[in-house]
Amino acid sequence: DAGVIQSPRHEVTEMGQEVTLRCKPISGHNSLFWYRQTMMRGLELLIYFNNNVPIDDSGMPEDRFSAKMPNASFSTLKIQPSEPRDSAVYFCASSWWGFSGRVEETQYFGPGTRLLVL
Amino acid sequence: GQQVMQIPQYQHVQEGEDFTTYCNSSTTLSNIQWYKQRPGGHPVFLIQLVKSGEVKKQKRLTFQFGEAKKNSSLHITATQTTDVGTYFCAGRGSNDYKLSFGAGTTVTVRA
Repeated sequence: DAGVIQSPRHEVTEMGQEVTLRCKPISGHNSLFWYRQTMMRGLELLIYFNNNVPIDDSGMPEDRFSAKMPNASFSTLKIQPSEPRDSAVYFCASSWWGFSGRVEETQYFGPGTRLLVL
Repeated sequence: GQQVMQIPQYQHVQEGEDFTTYCNSSTTLSNIQWYKQRPGGHPVFLIQLVKSGEVKKQKRLTFQFGEAKKNSSLHITATQTTDVGTYFCAGRGSNDYKLSFGAGTTVTVRA
C-alpha cells in the first residue's frame, strides 16, 4: 500500500490566491482527517470525515476554509482567499473506525503539504 | 471538551541518558496512542494502549497507561540520536469519536 498520498508537497502562493490541497486516503479506510501544524499552535484538527460525510468541522478556522470528500478515495481542502497566517504544514490522515467501538483506530498520516502564503 | 496535556514541551537529553514524557487527560480515556514525528516528517504511529495499567515495550521505549486511564507515560532508556523528534500522545474519551492530540514533547539529543 502506498499510504496516504498528499499533493502538492510544497505550495508557495501570494496572498489572496486560492489554494487547493489534495488527499488520497488508504484504501479501505472510512475516516479522514485534515490537520494543520504550526510552531505556535501545534497540531490542530480542522475537519473529520466518516464515510465521506463531514462529522466535525469545528476546527475549520473560518469561512475561507472548505473541505470536501466526494468519494472514499479523494478529499480536498481549499483556502480562498489565502492569507499569510495560513502558512503551515497541512496533514491528511486516514483510519478505520467503526461505531461498534472498535479500538483499532490508528491514524496514518500523509507526508503533508507545506504551504507558504506570501 | 476533552483535553490532553503533555509535559514537558521540550526535553534536552544527553546521549545515553533516560527520560520520560507524560500525558494527562481531563477525562477518562478509552485508549491512548503515541506517535513520533521526526524533524521535517509526519507523525507516525508507535503504539496503542487500551487496558488500565497496561505496559508495553518497544526495544528501549516503555509505554504505560495509568490505572485510572487518565494518564500515560513514555520512558526512553539509553537515548540515542535516532530518538530525536516530537512525541505526541493522542487519546479518545469514552464518549468521543475522535482522538485529541497533545501538544507534543520535542526531544533533542546531545552527543
